[in-house]
Amino acid sequence: AQSVAQPEDQVNVAEGNPLTVKCTYSVSGNPYLFWYVQYPNRGLQFLLKYITGDNLVKGSYGFEAEFNKSQTSFHLKKPSALVSDSALYFCAVRDRSSASKIIFGSGTRLSIRP
Amino acid sequence: DGGITQSPKYLFRKEGQNVTLSCEQNLNHDAMYWYRQDPGQGLRLIYYSQIVNDFQKGDIAEGYSVSREKKESFPLTVTSAQKNPTAFYLCASSMVPGELFFGEGSRLTVL
Repeated sequence: AQSVAQPEDQVNVAEGNPLTVKCTYSVSGNPYLFWYVQYPNRGLQFLLKYITGDNLVKGSYGFEAEFNKSQTSFHLKKPSALVSDSALYFCAVRDRSSASKIIFGSGTRLSIRP
Repeated sequence: DGGITQSPKYLFRKEGQNVTLSCEQNLNHDAMYWYRQDPGQGLRLIYYSQIVNDFQKGDIAEGYSVSREKKESFPLTVTSAQKNPTAFYLCASSMVPGELFFGEGSRLTVL
């Protein structure tokens, strides 16, 4: 079965510093990977996706993610964190049995201190 | 503006009662989804539908039912068979697999 794991429940970063939110995946075949962000009491918003091609994927709000096949990782990154980046971040993978079935990780709470 | 509307935003239910959560989209998306969110557990898939009049169980379908009679609508019924229904429920739709548009969520509390 396809799955993603987010090993950190919480990540704390000072404003202006680079940030990384980790995600590892377990899939058979080529992975289709995604990142979403959730602000308090709201639905999730799509940030970016990796399907194929360049291992560095750029997305919304200055975020990017690096796909690493040898380490089965898809970490979310941003060069300079903003306080407004504080939110809950989810990694997700498309299930191989159904293109429409998307499986989410447990989420990582990102806290940016001024 | 196009989007997904979930209602009600907050709902209280007595034990033993069924309750239906509404989800409507005007994005002309084919696929629609229901997820349940609990603290520390991320999102878990309840049901999804790829086309009208067809839907599939997700990972935690027991105690829930859905229908997809119209492209725009995908209501979720939480039945009395669901043992722990208190949660935040999220509806989503997509045209491109993986790129989901989410509603604002419905918070269900069982008294």
